[in-house]
Amino acid sequence: SAVISQKPSRDICQRGTSLTIQCQVDSQVTMMFWYRQQPGQSLTLIATANQGSEATYESGFVIDKFPISRPNLTFSTLTVSNMSPEDSSIYLCSVAGTGNTEAFFGQGTRLTVV
Amino acid sequence: AQSVTQLGSHVSVSEGALVLLRCNYSSSVPPYLFWYVQYPNQGLQLLLKYTSAATLVKGINGFEAEFKKSETSFHLTKPSAHMSDAAEYFCAVRNGANNLFFGTGTRLTVIP
Repeated sequence: SAVISQKPSRDICQRGTSLTIQCQVDSQVTMMFWYRQQPGQSLTLIATANQGSEATYESGFVIDKFPISRPNLTFSTLTVSNMSPEDSSIYLCSVAGTGNTEAFFGQGTRLTVV
Repeated sequence: AQSVTQLGSHVSVSEGALVLLRCNYSSSVPPYLFWYVQYPNQGLQLLLKYTSAATLVKGINGFEAEFKKSETSFHLTKPSAHMSDAAEYFCAVRNGANNLFFGTGTRLTVIP
């Protein structure tokens, strides 16, 4: 299984600012995924990040709001830009397991926008 | 298209009682199905997975799930609930593009 570290684990931010979340994996992976979990709700995929190419965004999510970097096979960042209280959520990084069956998740970043 | 439906957003059981969390899926291809658990203020941990092998899948912490194609179900069970099982449980289905589609979750409460 992969070990995934996310930083920060939580943050409280002012509206209008941006926060960059880091995701580090202990092994090389082709694809990394970013999910959002709004309060009391399930997980929604934001985008898939492949090394060496632009991230692929799901419907309802755009690059200007959630820019993603994937500089190598073990690291990715997600930025939440121009934040509003509606962006208050848990953001989770994920990678696919060997054989691309199960997914492994980081501990998540709990973001509160005030 | 893939989707999952979890029946019951909240389930309460007494300690020692049977745990049954329901999940029905919709998939246009043979599915990969998963159950994840989320403890308070933590990320998601894989409980078990179905990947077209045995239909009865055993996971960690005494949980198991049975894949029933005729019922399009993948219900999660545990014979005897422990206090430590109190958490949020998510059923998920995976499509060929490696994306996971999650159900809305079931919060399990265990009553002493």
